[in-house]
Amino acid sequence: GAVVSQHPSRVICKSGTSVKIECRSLDFQATTMFWYRQFPKQSLMLMATSNEGSKATYEQGVEKDKFLINHASLTLSTLTVTSAHPEDSSFYICSANGGGRDTDTQYFGPGTRLTVL
Amino acid sequence: KNQVEQSPQSLIILEGKNCTLQCNYTVSPFSNLRWYKQDTGRGPVSLTIMTFSENTKSNGRYTATLDADTKQSSLHITASQLSDSASYICVVSWGNYNKLIFGAGTRLAVHP
Repeated sequence: GAVVSQHPSRVICKSGTSVKIECRSLDFQATTMFWYRQFPKQSLMLMATSNEGSKATYEQGVEKDKFLINHASLTLSTLTVTSAHPEDSSFYICSANGGGRDTDTQYFGPGTRLTVL
Repeated sequence: KNQVEQSPQSLIILEGKNCTLQCNYTVSPFSNLRWYKQDTGRGPVSLTIMTFSENTKSNGRYTATLDADTKQSSLHITASQLSDSASYICVVSWGNYNKLIFGAGTRLAVHP
C-alpha cells in the first residue's frame, strides 16, 4: 500500500518550453502532496506544499509563476515548469501523506529527471 | 535554525561488514525522526520512523536509535549487502504540520 507514482520518469526539453510532471497516489487518497527538487549530491529541498482544491503553498525563493502546481483531485497533483531554462535541470520528486491512519508518513514517488537543453 | 547534520558524508565498506551512520539535529518542536534509503535516480524509501519516546526501532538488518536528550540518532546496518549501496537520509519532522527537514545524506558504497 501507499504507492506514489510519477510520470514521466525522465524528460529532455528545449529551453523556453514548458514541462508537466504528474504525481499520483495509486492506492490511497492524499489531501496533501509535496514537491521537492534535488540537485546532484544534495538533499531534497521542499519547493511547495500542494493541497487538494486550494492553492499551493510555496517555499521562500520558489517562483510560483514558474512552477505551477495543480492538485485537482485527491490522487493527482501536477507540477508544470514554465519556460524552462538549463538551470531548472534537476531531479523533481513528489510525496504524499499516507492515507488512513498513516498520515504522518510521507511516501515518495520515484522522481522525474528533467534536463533542459 | 532548524538543521539536520549527518556523518560521515560518504562511506565505503566491504560486503558482510556492519556500519553505523550518524545524525544530529537541532529541530524544535520535534515531532519524529525518519531514516530513508535513496537509490541513485530514485525517490527515498522509508526505513524507520521514531517518535520522541522511542529509543530504538528495527527493520530487518536496519536498526535506528534515537536519543532525544542529546538530539542524536544513528542507523546501524548489519551484515551489509551490495544492494545496501545507496544514500541514507535522516529526516526530522517538526511543528504541527509535520514539515520535514532533510539531512544531506550519507552515501554508502558496499564493495564485494
